[in-house]
Formats: sequence, C-alpha cells, structure tokens
Amino acid sequence: DAGVIQSPRHEVTEMGQEVTLRCKPISGHDYLFWYRQTMMRGLELLIYFNNNVPIDDSGMPEDRFSAKMPNASFSTLKIQPSEPRDSAVYFCASREGSRDGYTFGSGTRLTVV
Amino acid sequence: ILNVEQSPQSLHVQEGDSTNFTCSFPSSNFYALHWYRWETAKSPEALFVMTLNGDEKKKGRISATLNTKEGYSYLYIKGSQPEDSATYLCASLDSWGKLQFGAGTQVVVTP
Repeated sequence: DAGVIQSPRHEVTEMGQEVTLRCKPISGHDYLFWYRQTMMRGLELLIYFNNNVPIDDSGMPEDRFSAKMPNASFSTLKIQPSEPRDSAVYFCASREGSRDGYTFGSGTRLTVV
Repeated sequence: ILNVEQSPQSLHVQEGDSTNFTCSFPSSNFYALHWYRWETAKSPEALFVMTLNGDEKKKGRISATLNTKEGYSYLYIKGSQPEDSATYLCASLDSWGKLQFGAGTQVVVTP
C-alpha cells in the first residue's frame, strides 16, 4: 500500500500564477480531505469529499481556491491566482468509514513569491 | 479560532519519566476524538480513534482516555523515550464528518 500520494512535494511560484496540487487517496477510501497547515491556524480543513462528492467546502478561504475529485483515485486543489499569503503546507488525507483515523499524505509545501 | 484546545503547547520530559497532556473539545455534536503523532518533516500518523465516554485505548507505552460529557481527553506516555519526541495532535470529529484539529502539544524527550 503506497499510502496517500501527493504531488508535487514542493512548489515555488510567482504571485498571480495558477497552482495545482494533486492527491491520490488510498484505494477503497471513500472520504478525501484537504487541509492547510499554517503557524496561525494549525491544521485547517479546507474541503472534504465523500464518494467523490464535495460535502463541506466552508473552509475554502476564497473564490481563488477550488477543488475537484473527478474519480475515486484523484483529487486536485487549485489556486488561481496565487498570492504570497497562500504559502503553507497543504495536506491531503483519506479514510475509509467513520471509525478509522485519517491517513495523511506527505504534504505539498507551497511558496508563493 | 480553534475550538479544540490542547495544553500545554510544549513540554520537555526526561527520558524514563512519564507524562500526560490534555485535549478539550466541544461536547455538542460530538462523534469521535482522534489522536495523531506528528514527527518533524513527516505527516501526521493516527494513534487512536475514540468514540464512547470512558473509552481507554493503549498502544505500547502510549494510552488515551476520553470523557465526552465534559469534553476532554488525556494522552499518557509512560517511561518516555527520545523516539517519543513529536507533536501530538488531537482532533474532534463532529456528526457532520468535520474533523477539527487542535494546535498540538510538542513533546521533547531528552536523554
């Protein structure tokens, strides 16, 4: 089991550019979550999906952020246009059912300059 | 604003000593309480998931208890070892499926 796979591991981009973060959940997990880690807010839930359907996107900070899950094995988080304050580590996590812990990916460290 | 509160923010423990720290969470709409261990430069790793009032879970030298009525959980480390050094996160899962994390307790075990 390769776990939750995120790409890229690191992304440095210029302000105003579009950024796309990718996540492959564990096969068979029906929930997928996107979190952002910042010093100020800790691990902050952005959005989560159940069976590929977005359930709660209330944590998405602005319209510049969007997330999709076109199938059970792939999700993207897009920021357009990116701003320096978006710099953070973005984690994807998945789980099977409601009584299990989440399995986190290794995160994408985003730096917007 | 974090509704899930952890204390202390950090603590230093001598190797061999036991320690514990707290997580408080909203008791309304509660579904489950998660504990994660997060080592530097790695991703959080699930330790325990607890749902019932009075639950106690144990994994090796680490154990946790849950009080859903008053909204708190304790994590205990018995006979701390340097490899226990990490940030320990708790998270509260509500009945809507939303998992909210606390800021963590950073544990440093010194030989």
